[in-house]
Amino acid sequence: DIVLTQSPGTLSLSPGEGATLSCRASQSVSSSYFAWYQQKPGQAPRLLIYGTSTRATGIPDRFRGSGSGTDFTLTISRLEPEDFAVYYCQQYGNSPPYTFGQGTKLEIK
Amino acid sequence: QVQLQESGPGLVKPSQTLSLTCTVSGGSINSGGYYWSWIRQHPGKGLEWIAYISFSGSTYYNPSLKSRATISLDTSKNHFSLQLNSVTAADTAVYFCAKDRGGLDALDIWGPGTMVTVSS
Repeated sequence: DIVLTQSPGTLSLSPGEGATLSCRASQSVSSSYFAWYQQKPGQAPRLLIYGTSTRATGIPDRFRGSGSGTDFTLTISRLEPEDFAVYYCQQYGNSPPYTFGQGTKLEIK
Repeated sequence: QVQLQESGPGLVKPSQTLSLTCTVSGGSINSGGYYWSWIRQHPGKGLEWIAYISFSGSTYYNPSLKSRATISLDTSKNHFSLQLNSVTAADTAVYFCAKDRGGLDALDIWGPGTMVTVSS
């Protein structure tokens, strides 16, 4: 099974700063089958990015996904107060079909 | 716009069967080539995918559930369901249902989730 490891576990930043979240896979993942989700307390996850770099409907362009092979990155420029949440990476298409990273908590400094 | 809503008992006794339903509104469950999943989140923890069922009824399960899970589709009621048998306290979690973008893709629509506690 593919294991996804996210870093850092917690990221403390201020509004207006930029954030870089990383996700490393235990084996190569097709860039067509990699996604990022945002989850706020008490809510369901929300799809941000799919296919490594395509923003989902309604996601602002300050969210950018990139990467290939085993290393993927979510970059958030100019953090807004509503961006502070937990972020999960996910691969799909392998066996089992969906696996998630353990999450990165983005908190206000 | 498709919307999902989970329903089921919030409390299940150990060794019994957990049964949840996800009602789909705003679209037909057997059209569009979508895959319908259950995912759970233990308190304060990350996301664990449980199973999916396709628009045509094919299924796939997370091997970690060791055959305790069964997912099914009811097109007449436009919903899909999850049964998890022989539950223990380790199955206490928020359970989410979700729809993919089509063709076993990322999960773009999620239900709000339902908390299930396993306790006597």
